[in-house]
Amino acid sequence: SQQGEEDPQALSIQEGENATMNCSYKTSINNLQWYRQNSGRGLVHLILIRSNEREKHSGRLRVTLDTSKKSSSLLITASRAADTASYFCATGGNNRLAFGKGNQVVVIP
Amino acid sequence: GAVVSQHPSWVICKSGTSVKIECRSLDFQATTMFWYRQFPKQSLMLMATSNEGSKATYEQGVEKDKFLINHASLTLSTLTVTSAHPEDSSFYICSARGTLPGQINYGYTFGSGTRLTVV
Repeated sequence: SQQGEEDPQALSIQEGENATMNCSYKTSINNLQWYRQNSGRGLVHLILIRSNEREKHSGRLRVTLDTSKKSSSLLITASRAADTASYFCATGGNNRLAFGKGNQVVVIP
Repeated sequence: GAVVSQHPSWVICKSGTSVKIECRSLDFQATTMFWYRQFPKQSLMLMATSNEGSKATYEQGVEKDKFLINHASLTLSTLTVTSAHPEDSSFYICSARGTLPGQINYGYTFGSGTRLTVV
């Protein structure tokens, strides 16, 4: 079963703007990960946040985690056309990952 | 960093034939491999998990006789779609988890996927 579930979103933004997407999950987690998938390609790991962390940064990425609300957000600042992709959150447990529905982001040059 | 090679990247086959997809870990030992299926604009659905030298564990609703998984070595897992039908057309992605030190993504590395079209 899917543990991570994003609010279904299709974002279309102008280059330079920020993109925010959300993810909610149902069970307790040890960590939550975000992945990017370019059209017709595999997944690229972006960032992992542990359950005892509330916020994490990596370059233009900012991830927050609220375990009390069982939710996470991914913020991409100063978006670029190359950020056009689908973004998935995933939660792990029992040696497997469960993916959410994904957010499709289109950055218009 | 850890690299997983998946081959072929796309394949078209006739209905009734079988297709084999390979997933190789190039620079680490993949103790566990995962196979996912993804429909257009949808998320990844886990099909099965395989550990080297053991039989694969299939998710509920996935036909093990239809989707044969072999994980005979620590660097190679294969998924064979037997007697393929048009409804098997999909995007298949493998993922490998190993013991390479320093992997910050909890050890999951993904292949680039295989687009299967059954005509």
